[in-house]
Amino acid sequence: EAQVTQNPRYLITVTGKKLTVTCSQNMNHEYMSWYRQDPGLGLRQIYYSMNVEVTDKGDVPEGYKVSRKEKRNFPLILESPSPNQTSLYFCASTAPGILSYEQYFGPGTRLTVT
Amino acid sequence: AQSVSQHNHHVILSEAASLELGCNYSYGGTVNLFWYVQYPGQHLQLLLKYFSGDPLVKGIKGFEAEFIKSKFSFNLRKPSVQWSDTAEYFCAVTSFSGGYNKLIFGAGTRLAVHP
Repeated sequence: EAQVTQNPRYLITVTGKKLTVTCSQNMNHEYMSWYRQDPGLGLRQIYYSMNVEVTDKGDVPEGYKVSRKEKRNFPLILESPSPNQTSLYFCASTAPGILSYEQYFGPGTRLTVT
Repeated sequence: AQSVSQHNHHVILSEAASLELGCNYSYGGTVNLFWYVQYPGQHLQLLLKYFSGDPLVKGIKGFEAEFIKSKFSFNLRKPSVQWSDTAEYFCAVTSFSGGYNKLIFGAGTRLAVHP
C-alpha cells in the first residue's frame, strides 16, 4: 500500500530536549516536505527536499533541521524545542512530473512542548 | 508572493443543505488549484484538483469546484451535505519557488454538519 508514515504520532516533551520526528514514504517520490498546522493559519511549509541531499527552507524554518540521506526518509529535527513549536506536523511527498503536484500526506504528529 | 484566502473559518449546516466554501488566490498567471479535506483525527486527503481545461471540476464524494480566472477564485460546492462531511477543508494553490512548484495552503474552513 502506497503511504507516508510518521513516528511518533504523539509526543510530549520539555523545552530544550532534542527530538526527531521520522517520515518515510514507499512511493519512490523525489519531493518531500514538512508542514506545521496551526489553528487559523492552515499548513505552513517548514522545509522541503527535491531529492537526496537536496533540502531547502520553506516558509517557517526557524528552529528546525532536516536531512535527506535516503530517498524514502525525511526526518524533522528539533535541536532545542520551545513551546511555540507545539503544533501538528505533517510530512508529505509528491510524485515527480510536471503535472503531478498532488501531495500525499502522512498521518500527522502532534507535538506538545512544555 | 502567492497567497490563499478562505473567507469562512467556521461553517455550520444541517444535513441536506447546500455547501459553498470560498477560496481566492492572489497571483494570476498559470496556477494549479486543489481542495484537500481533513476528517477529524486524520491526515489530509485530496478532494479535487484543477490543472487546465473545463473550469468545473468534479471530485470525490459529490464535491465539485469552479475555477473562475477573472475572479481568482476556486470555490468548493456540494449540493447536499451529509453528517460525514464534517471536516476541515483546505484550498491550495501552486506557487513556483526555489525551482519547483510548491503548494500554498489557505487557513482552512471547519465544517460541522448536524443531523
